[in-house]
Amino acid sequence: QKEVEQNSGPLSVPEGAIASLNCTYSDRGSQSFFWYRQYSGKSPELIMSIYSNGDKEDGRFTAQLNKASQYVSLLIRDSQPSDSATYLCAVKNPFGNSGGSNYKLTFGKGTLLTVNP
Amino acid sequence: NAGVMQNPRHLVRRRGQEARLRCSPMKGHSHVYWYRQLPEEGLKFMVYLQKENIIDESGMPKERFSAEFPKEGPSILRIQQVVRGDSAAYFCASSPVLAGVNEQYFGPGTRLTVT
Repeated sequence: QKEVEQNSGPLSVPEGAIASLNCTYSDRGSQSFFWYRQYSGKSPELIMSIYSNGDKEDGRFTAQLNKASQYVSLLIRDSQPSDSATYLCAVKNPFGNSGGSNYKLTFGKGTLLTVNP
Repeated sequence: NAGVMQNPRHLVRRRGQEARLRCSPMKGHSHVYWYRQLPEEGLKFMVYLQKENIIDESGMPKERFSAEFPKEGPSILRIQQVVRGDSAAYFCASSPVLAGVNEQYFGPGTRLTVT
């Protein structure tokens, strides 16, 4: 079972629509959740972090977390062509299973989003 | 406020040569992480370092790869005797002191090509 799973896409939405990106994870000890945006040939850029169940909104972005279902999502409202990128879901278990501190991020493979003008 | 810096941005090595990748964390950050992104694959954790300490190297290949973060200067990821399969983008990220909960910010990456 993959640790962090995302639909690879591509997810195609028209400009102005809501884009919904989903992510599931297998490690129930995960406590921190992140969404990164990565343009082709560029580095990941942090756009959202969420630590508690529920919704967290930042501008056009809303992250949703449900720890019981081991599910985290990202909604992008009023999608713009400049939002076209790969969106990476990452989770962190600060305790891990290595017997000590474990602060690494575990990433999904990403979902490619295309916003059509 | 400078972000995470990495150099070189592009590195070409012949098989058998050594590759040295450098990373300077954001100002005020003392935790450094190295990740590798192979073509068509996700980002994979390699190693987590603090100044003069390797905290977690569970993602590092057992041979040819090493990392350090000296008291002075940047963190260095060293790959000895490179092979074609080492061709990838190598990203460094940094976070502030409370690494347990705080976000990691990525540098621009070093794209290594082994010919």
